[in-house]
Amino acid sequence: DGGITQSPKYLFRKEGQNVTLSCEQNLNHDAMYWYRQDPGQGLRLIYYSQIVNDFQKGDIAEGYSVSREKKESFPLTVTSAQKNPTAFYLCASTDNLNTEAFFGQGTRLTVV
Amino acid sequence: EDQVTQSPEALRLQEGESSSLNCSYTVSGLRGLFWYRQDPGKGPEFLFTLYSAGEEKEKERLKATLTKKESFLHITAPKPEDSATYLCAVQAGRDDKIIFGKGTRLHILP
Repeated sequence: DGGITQSPKYLFRKEGQNVTLSCEQNLNHDAMYWYRQDPGQGLRLIYYSQIVNDFQKGDIAEGYSVSREKKESFPLTVTSAQKNPTAFYLCASTDNLNTEAFFGQGTRLTVV
Repeated sequence: EDQVTQSPEALRLQEGESSSLNCSYTVSGLRGLFWYRQDPGKGPEFLFTLYSAGEEKEKERLKATLTKKESFLHITAPKPEDSATYLCAVQAGRDDKIIFGKGTRLHILP
């Protein structure tokens, strides 16, 4: 089945550590997105990529980094510079042809 | 600045009580407007895409409409299983960013 897979579902991080969240899609979509969701805040855009080897900052990119070396993969690294990383992270992809974004099931990151 | 605003933030209805959720937007170069349903702890599930003013789409008890400034999600005779957060998003601008509203939490009481 085609879709987007995020892993892990739950992730615990100690303060000062970097962690990487995985996002893989087999939909052959060109564009991929990372969002952060906090209670009452809706989805806020962290980074997005319209094509392999290119990506742009979203509204809240500070403390995060991404790479897009393959069309299928768009990993997100939460660095120690991110002051409040505890949140629900969602990855999405689209085919850039005015169609809807498909979402993964999310990764809940908790700093302990 | 591109913006998407949803109202109300939360809505409680009795089973069978119809109502509407609002999504207003101020963006340049709208490419599409999307409605999603999100259950707690899960990723958003796609419902509808609307592209131009006057367009309408229906699915079971849900109907989405679009004007030049806002979209409505009409819920007819809702059931408890319709309880969820409903998210509105727009794709717009030269870089085709997808921008989300904060959502409306809908609770249908049996």
